Formats: sequence, C-alpha cells, structure tokens
Amino acid sequence: AQKVTQAQTEISVVEKEDVTLDCVYETRDTTYYLFWYKQPPSGELVFLIRRNSFDEQNEISGRYSWNFQKSTSSFNFTITASQVVDSAVYFCALSALPGSILTGGGNKLTFGTGTQLKVEL
Amino acid sequence: AAGVIQSPRHLIKEKRETATLKCYPIPRHDTVYWYQQGPGQDPQFLISFYEKMQSDKGSIPDRFSAQQFSDYHSELNMSSLELGDSALYFCASSLEMGHEQFFGPGTRLTVL
Repeated sequence: AQKVTQAQTEISVVEKEDVTLDCVYETRDTTYYLFWYKQPPSGELVFLIRRNSFDEQNEISGRYSWNFQKSTSSFNFTITASQVVDSAVYFCALSALPGSILTGGGNKLTFGTGTQLKVEL
Repeated sequence: AAGVIQSPRHLIKEKRETATLKCYPIPRHDTVYWYQQGPGQDPQFLISFYEKMQSDKGSIPDRFSAQQFSDYHSELNMSSLELGDSALYFCASSLEMGHEQFFGPGTRLTVL
C-alpha cells in the first residue's frame, strides 16, 4: 500500500522567513511519481510540481524549491522569503505509474494529511 | 488556458435524495479522476476513467456510480445521500494516465 506522511500539521511563520514542509512516503513500487499541491482558503487544488522517482535532481522555481531524497523516501518543499499569499494547506501526494500491478493499474493520487501554512505580517 | 469545469459549484440536498455532479475535463485530456475531500481532511480517491473505461476504483460507496461519456465529460451520481456525504468533490483530468492531474474548482455538497 502507498502512504504519505506530512508530520507538520500547522506551521506559522512571519513574512520573509524561509519555511520547509516535510513529506515522507512509503511505496513498494520501484518507480512512482511525487507531487505537491496547494489548497488556498478558496478551496481549489493547485498543482505545483511532479517528480519522477528516477529523477533525483532538486528543482527550483522562483521562491519554491524541492528536495527529493530517495534514500530517505522524502520529498520536502521549501518556500524562500515567504509571503502572506503563500498561506494555504499544502498537500504532498504519491502515485504509481500506470499499469503498476501493486496498485491495480491506475495512477490515483494518495495524499498526505496536509500542512497548514500561515504566513503573518 | 482552459481548465477543468465542474458543475454545480454548490449543491444542497436532503438526506436520501440523489445528486449528480458533472465534470468537463481540459480539452484533449482523456483521463478523469474523482476525489472526495471531507472537512479538514485530505482528498480521497473515488474512481477514474481512461478513454471512457473505468481505470481504477477507490473507496467509492456502492450508492455512488460514475461514467465517462463519448465527449470525455464525466458524471458522478450519488443516491440515498447521507449526512456523511457532505464534502468537497473534486474532478481532475490528465492527458493520458501518468501525467499530472489538474483539478477543477470542486463541487461543495451539503446534505441536510
């Protein structure tokens, strides 16, 4: 079975601070995808990134960066110089590749429980 | 750019009533997923379709059914509604299975 753990339920920071959201996952698949989604107070789910398990390069996109470490099954997300607009719930998610025998062939997303990030002035 | 469209955005029903949620995927996307997000919870996968065939099934109650039509839109039919069905229902679409899933704005269902 697949499992995603986001141990941080809620994080509060002051604007311009850097913040790292932790994500640890479990899967028996040897290849898989990892994702981060943002859910602002308005409720929609906004796609941030998808990472293939065979690509361990870290990625940076503006103030966002992701650190994927297969050895520790972690896919952490860092926001640099946080802003009030970053306040949201952030979900880490995992999916198998299509055709995976272990997950029944589909590639549904398994989400973590989310981390509520509050950025204050 | 076109996004996933869900209708209605809000729906209020009484217990034991039925509800139909609709999802229109991003043009050219052939895979549709349905998720249910209860208050304060993470989204839970219900069911998915690829090229109009069911591709995967999660924790979807027997009271719920879904299908994908020839134009790739999908409908989630919910019968004998219960208070616990109150949730945000998301539809997501992707260009073939395995690609990133883009979510619609969700339908907020309230069962009274």
